[in-house]
Amino acid sequence: SQTIHQWPATLVQPVGSPLSLECTVEGTSNPNLYWYRQAAGRGLQLLFYSVGIGQISSEVPQNLSASRPQDRQFILSSKKLLLSDSGFYLCAWSGGVAGNNEQFFGPGTRLTVL
Amino acid sequence: LAKTTQPISMDSYEGQEVNITCSHNNIATNDYITWYQQFPSQGPRFIIQGYKTKVTNEVASLFIPADRKSSTLSLPRVSLSDTAVYYCLVGAYNQGGKLIFGQGTELSVKP
Repeated sequence: SQTIHQWPATLVQPVGSPLSLECTVEGTSNPNLYWYRQAAGRGLQLLFYSVGIGQISSEVPQNLSASRPQDRQFILSSKKLLLSDSGFYLCAWSGGVAGNNEQFFGPGTRLTVL
Repeated sequence: LAKTTQPISMDSYEGQEVNITCSHNNIATNDYITWYQQFPSQGPRFIIQGYKTKVTNEVASLFIPADRKSSTLSLPRVSLSDTAVYYCLVGAYNQGGKLIFGQGTELSVKP
């Protein structure tokens, strides 16, 4: 069966510090991968998605970046965090089967920028 | 990607049937309708997906009229554990697999 891992579960970082959140998927190959952010407890904002290694599409201009160095690894990064980067970050994957775009979400990372 | 509109919040009592309606007037021919459930501090979880008419699984039913401009998620006999945010999404794989989550409907089930 497929599983998705995210770490860390919680993170407290000062403004201006760097960020690296990692997501890995097991039990599937060539998944579509996604990073979302959820602020104020409602509404998920799609940040990045990837359909293959090295292929990243950005949905929202910001100080965040994403990379996909391996087929089942997706990394969210920032060189300098802002207060507005606080939120709940979720990684997700989908199999990409035509007509079935079900996404499976990881446990999330709660980021607090102080 | 078709935009969706759903109520911000709904209240219900245990044992009642809950129907949450979603409007998607600009749905495209190859779009599917998908509903997700999210509990606090967890990622959303797939509930049900459909293209037209009615779909039923062990958790819910999804009703889609012929014009597909709306859909209704039906939760039979809700319990306290059904308190969550429910999202309606419309999209297709050929749009890069993207899904756009709206604000969702916050369902509160009371004893």
